[in-house]
Amino acid sequence: SYELTQPPSLSVSPGQTASITCSGDKLGDKYACWYQQKPGQSPVLVIYQDSRRPSGIPERFSGSNSGNTATLTISGTQAMDEADYYCQAWDSSTSYVFGTGTKVTVL
Amino acid sequence: QVQLQESGPGLVKPSETLSLTCTVSGGSISSYYWSWIRQPPGKGLEWIGYIYYSGSTNYNPSLKSRVTISVDTSKNQFSLKLSSVTAADTAVYYCAGGGISVVRGVISQKFDYWGQGTLVTVSS
Repeated sequence: SYELTQPPSLSVSPGQTASITCSGDKLGDKYACWYQQKPGQSPVLVIYQDSRRPSGIPERFSGSNSGNTATLTISGTQAMDEADYYCQAWDSSTSYVFGTGTKVTVL
Repeated sequence: QVQLQESGPGLVKPSETLSLTCTVSGGSISSYYWSWIRQPPGKGLEWIGYIYYSGSTNYNPSLKSRVTISVDTSKNQFSLKLSSVTAADTAVYYCAGGGISVVRGVISQKFDYWGQGTLVTVSS
């Protein structure tokens, strides 16, 4: 089955840039999405089709995808961005696949 | 704005069948693909399966033998049944919806809408 691997955790200082990676075999040949999940809340889509932002998502969220790695970048990270982040892609054998998740701490 | 609401028992006994329903409001159930996703306490997200309004389904291979997802378009609802549950099935269960399309020859998909989630505990 297809797997997506993320670093378990990431710490970033306020105002700095956070880069969250998502690795999978030939992931660059697929489209990646990213979801933000705050404690006790449902996930929220922040990036789709590798780099597109849904309406209402701040411009500081951006994405890229190439080779075996998709990356979510948060520029000028704010305290409100502290959350778990999950990548997700579609695979022909498994359909929807979620990454392992990354806990982003802003301190 | 599309809104989703899960409903169903919060406690299920081992070996029994977990049953949940998701009610879609603010939009037509014929507009998107509808999924069930779960999240064990303190763990990550796991996709369970999806259904289209036509009744077409697709399930996670790891759960396929125990999962049935159905749709009732007259009520704008879709449902999940998970049989022979164990403690490992204890999780927050989310219903979610979104589109699937082909962009430049590649499948593009996303979950635009999520329910608030409902905790289902498997215990005797």
